[in-house]
Amino acid sequence: AQSVTQLDSQVPVFEEAPVELRCNYSSSVSVYLFWYVQYPNQGLQLLLKYLSGSTLVKGINGFEAEFNKSQTSFHLRKPSVHISDTAEYFCAVSDVVGTASKLTFGTGTRLQVTL
Amino acid sequence: KAGVTQTPRYLIKTRGQQVTLSCSPISGHRSVSWYQQTPGQGLQFLFEYFSETQRNKGNFPGRFSGRQFSNSRSEMNVSTLELGDSALYLCASSPVTGEGDTQYFGPGTRLTVL
Repeated sequence: AQSVTQLDSQVPVFEEAPVELRCNYSSSVSVYLFWYVQYPNQGLQLLLKYLSGSTLVKGINGFEAEFNKSQTSFHLRKPSVHISDTAEYFCAVSDVVGTASKLTFGTGTRLQVTL
Repeated sequence: KAGVTQTPRYLIKTRGQQVTLSCSPISGHRSVSWYQQTPGQGLQFLFEYFSETQRNKGNFPGRFSGRQFSNSRSEMNVSTLELGDSALYLCASSPVTGEGDTQYFGPGTRLTVL
């Protein structure tokens, strides 16, 4: 069975500072990895995904993530955050085996950006 | 392309009633998945439909059911509502190409059970 651990439930950060949101996964098979963002009263928006290939993945809004197989991690980073980045961020995994679409999500990290 | 749409956006029901939520996927997407989001349990997978067949199911009681139509639109039904069913229900569609299909989410339906 797969599982996803987001180590920080909340991350406060000042505007223009760098940020890292941590994600570790556990799976007995190869996985695809995703980061989604959720703004208040909205659905989930895809930030980036790792399927294969380069371990550094670039996404929208200046975010990037690095896949580390040995540490089973997929941490999300942004070099300089903006107030508008305040939102809930979810890491998710999906099995490579089979074609059924099922995401297992972490518990989310609330990013709070202040002036 | 238009995104995933869900109707209604907000719903208030009382215990014991049943409810039907609707989801229209992105044009050309053949897979529709449903998730429940609550503050206590987070995001949990309910089920996935592909070509009108349930292909995958999460760990939810039989009161939760769904279906998919030939145009890929999907509905989920919850019977005999309980207070704990209050949640944001998210629908996601994916193209099903077999290569790490990305799921694209709708805005959700906020269900409140009184």
